[in-house]
Amino acid sequence: GDSVTQMEGPVTLSEEAFLTINCTYTATGYPSLFWYVQYPGEGLQLLLKATKADDKGSNKGFEATYRKETTSFHLEKGSVQVSDSAVYFCALLSGGYNKLIFGAGTRLAVHP
Amino acid sequence: SAVISQKPSRDICQRGTSLTIQCQVDSQVTMMFWYRQQPGQSLTLIATANQGSEATYESGFVIDKFPISRPNLTFSTLTVSNMSPEDSSIYLCSVITDSLNQPQHFGDGTRLSIL
Repeated sequence: GDSVTQMEGPVTLSEEAFLTINCTYTATGYPSLFWYVQYPGEGLQLLLKATKADDKGSNKGFEATYRKETTSFHLEKGSVQVSDSAVYFCALLSGGYNKLIFGAGTRLAVHP
Repeated sequence: SAVISQKPSRDICQRGTSLTIQCQVDSQVTMMFWYRQQPGQSLTLIATANQGSEATYESGFVIDKFPISRPNLTFSTLTVSNMSPEDSSIYLCSVITDSLNQPQHFGDGTRLSIL
C-alpha cells in the first residue's frame, strides 16, 4: 500500500542554520504531496503542497519539490528561526480516495 | 480557508465512560474526517464522516467504539465509547472544502486523557 517515510528526529539546529527534512513516498499513480506543521499544543497546519511532478511548493521560507524520479518531497529552509520549532509531517493523498497518509513526523528544535 | 472549531479542546475522563467531540465548520464542506494521534505518534485516519449516512471506517476502527454523526455539511461528532487509558490521544477533525485532491484542513484537536 501507499506509504510515507520521513527522516527520524529530533533535528536540532542553531538559529539561521539550513534545514532539510527528508521525505520519500511509495504510491501507485500520481499522488498529491503535502507538508503539515504542528506547533506545540496545536493542531496541524498545512505548510505547503505540490500536486504534480516538478511542482515546487513554498510558504514562509520553506520549500519542497515533487521529484517523481526519486519519489521524494524533501522540505528545506535556508535560515531557520526559533519560532520554526515544531513537528513536521510529510503526507500524500492518493488520487480519488481523499485519504491522507502521514509520515511519522520529524521534530525540529531550533536554539538561539 | 475554513475555520474549524473543535469542542472540547481537552478533557480528562474516567475509564468506562464515553465522550462526544464536536467539530463545527464556518462554511459548508465537501468531506469531513476524524483522525487519532496517539502520544508522540503520527496521525491515523479513524473514519470519513458521511453526511446523512453511516461513516466509513478504516481498518482497526469500529462503529461501536467510535460512533460518528454528520447531520449536515458543517457539523460532525465523534464519540469515544467505553474509554480505557489506551484511548488517551489527540483526536482531530479535518475537512476538504472543495473538490477531490484538495488539501485537508485540520482543527486544533481534542486532547483526551483517560484515568
